[in-house]
Amino acid sequence: KQEVTQIPAALSVPEGENLVLNCSFTDSAIYNLQWFRQDPGKGLTSLLLIQSSQREQTSGRLNASLDKSSGRSTLYIAASQPGDSATYLCAVTDVSAAGNKLTFGGGTRVLVKP
Amino acid sequence: DTAVSQTPKYLVTQMGNDKSIKCEQNLGHDTMYWYKQDSKKFLKIMFSYNNKELIINETVPNRFSPKSPDKAHLNLHINSLELGDSAVYFCASSKKDRGLTNEKLFFGSGTQLSVL
Repeated sequence: KQEVTQIPAALSVPEGENLVLNCSFTDSAIYNLQWFRQDPGKGLTSLLLIQSSQREQTSGRLNASLDKSSGRSTLYIAASQPGDSATYLCAVTDVSAAGNKLTFGGGTRVLVKP
Repeated sequence: DTAVSQTPKYLVTQMGNDKSIKCEQNLGHDTMYWYKQDSKKFLKIMFSYNNKELIINETVPNRFSPKSPDKAHLNLHINSLELGDSAVYFCASSKKDRGLTNEKLFFGSGTQLSVL
């Protein structure tokens, strides 16, 4: 059974510092991995999707890497801003899954201090 | 225009009651989902429907019954509510779900259910 872990559970950094968020998964037979952002009282917004054949994806200040063999993904956010404060979740789709069933990690709550 | 909208945003009710949460998407997607986020913030899938057909049904009590009148709507009806049902319920949609895809999911803003 796939398990997704995100450490740390919470992170606080001063504005301008780079953010590094970690995600690990127990079963490397994944189809893809997604990173989401969740703001309080709001739904999830998909940030990046990395297919199993890819090593990384980039969007603006965001870069996500994937190492399937070691069961890890890292989300980098460059030059953090107070607006980046949110909870970040990673989720994987297993190859064995029926359809787009995502298994989520518990999230990392990020606070960027001005 | 909200892409995935669900109502109500907040739902407070007594144990034993029956309640429904509605979800609609205007993205033209074929597949819709219900996810549950518990007090520890873990999100778990409950159901998915593709063009009104049930695709995923996790081990959810049969007090929970999804209903999809058309591919743009997926409502969640809950009978005999229990304290443990208190959570945030999220609706989501994606372009297609026949087999594995690399389609992103689009989420609604959630319904916070509190059972007293």
